[in-house]
Amino acid sequence: EPEVTQTPSHQVTQMGQEVILRCVPISNHLYFYWYRQILGQKVEFLVSFYNNEISEKSEIFDDQFSVERPDGSNFTLKIRSTKLEDSAMYFCASWGPGDNYGYTFGSGTRLTVV
Amino acid sequence: QQQVKQSPQSLIVQKGGISIINCAYENTAFDYFPWYQQFPGKGPALLIAIRPDVSEKKEGRFTISFNKSAKQFSLHIMDSQPGDSATYFCAASIGDNYGQNFVFGPGTRLSVLP
Repeated sequence: EPEVTQTPSHQVTQMGQEVILRCVPISNHLYFYWYRQILGQKVEFLVSFYNNEISEKSEIFDDQFSVERPDGSNFTLKIRSTKLEDSAMYFCASWGPGDNYGYTFGSGTRLTVV
Repeated sequence: QQQVKQSPQSLIVQKGGISIINCAYENTAFDYFPWYQQFPGKGPALLIAIRPDVSEKKEGRFTISFNKSAKQFSLHIMDSQPGDSATYFCAASIGDNYGQNFVFGPGTRLSVLP
């Protein structure tokens, strides 16, 4: 079964540093997303991406965040100047032909800001 | 308006019992309601979904009941098994086409005792 792959599985970074979270969506999918889940809390939408541009973003997705599809397979989330409150699980998801009801999520990257 | 409420926060059920998780929403524009299952360390996985033109949908041991007038929907897990122990999220979106982002409920942690 096709999977969304995320790397790394766990990232520890110093406060103020930049991190890049990487995702490889399912190959024929066209919509890509980032969600985050602070420990024990609900899954929150960050951003959706289609046709090489952001289609929608939430209030959480401020100037500290950016997304990019640098090539035909990867989809990245960059967090500049990380803060302690950015510590969370970050999930990439993709949606496309064959996904009749919703996204396929990756297994997530646990970001710990110290 | 964009919130999805979910209860209970946690649920303990004996093996073979029925697990019931309830969700409610305010935004009448929501017209697509998936349920996601999340195991520890994994991303949410789509379990079952319903559109408001039907009142019930069943897939195996999982049933969604939908009450459009009350703006409520629920997940019933029949013959609950220890392997069902996970966190369950209800979600809602406007439309079910590619590109829609979901609003997730806060989650219910289900424990099924052997």
